[in-house]
Amino acid sequence: KQEVTQIPAALSVPEGENLVLNCSFTDSAIYNLQWFRQDPGKGLTSLLLIQSSQREQTSGRLNASLDKSSGRSTLYIAASQPGDSATYLCAVLSGYSTLTFGKGTMLLVSP
Amino acid sequence: SAVISQKPSRDICQRGTSLTIQCQVDSQVTMMFWYRQQPGQSLTLIATANQGSEATYESGFVIDKFPISRPNLTFSTLTVSNLSPEDSSIYLCSVAEGGGNIQYFGAGTRLSVL
Repeated sequence: KQEVTQIPAALSVPEGENLVLNCSFTDSAIYNLQWFRQDPGKGLTSLLLIQSSQREQTSGRLNASLDKSSGRSTLYIAASQPGDSATYLCAVLSGYSTLTFGKGTMLLVSP
Repeated sequence: SAVISQKPSRDICQRGTSLTIQCQVDSQVTMMFWYRQQPGQSLTLIATANQGSEATYESGFVIDKFPISRPNLTFSTLTVSNLSPEDSSIYLCSVAEGGGNIQYFGAGTRLSVL
């Protein structure tokens, strides 16, 4: 059974810092990995999708990497801003459209 | 990408009652899913809503508690029955595109049970 772990569970940084969020998964037989953002009490916004054959994806200040063989992904956020404060969820797609989520990293960026 | 509308966005319900959540998609999709997110937890798949047939439930979720309808390729409902405070969660609808490779999520329904 696929399990997804995210470290750290919470992170507080001052504005302007670069930061890294970590995601690990137990079964490397995945189709893709997605990073989502969730604001308090809200739904999910897809940030980046990395296919299993890819090593990284970039969108603006966000960069996600994937090392499928070791079961790891990182989300790098450059020059963090208070508007980046949210919970970041990692999810892997394996099996038949089966998405497994981590518990998330709660990020707080203070001005 | 598909645009998903979910209603209601939030509700407060009494113990023992039921709540029906609607999910509307702006395009025809084969696969629709319902997830639950309990406070402080991550998302857990409840069931896959199949058009024209019964939903496929994950372990720990049963049809009597979470009946699902999928009358066509753009609409689904999830009912949470016989509510208890433990049902207080965010419920999210999602759809799969790209041959099931990518999932998009609705804004969620925040349910509080008193």
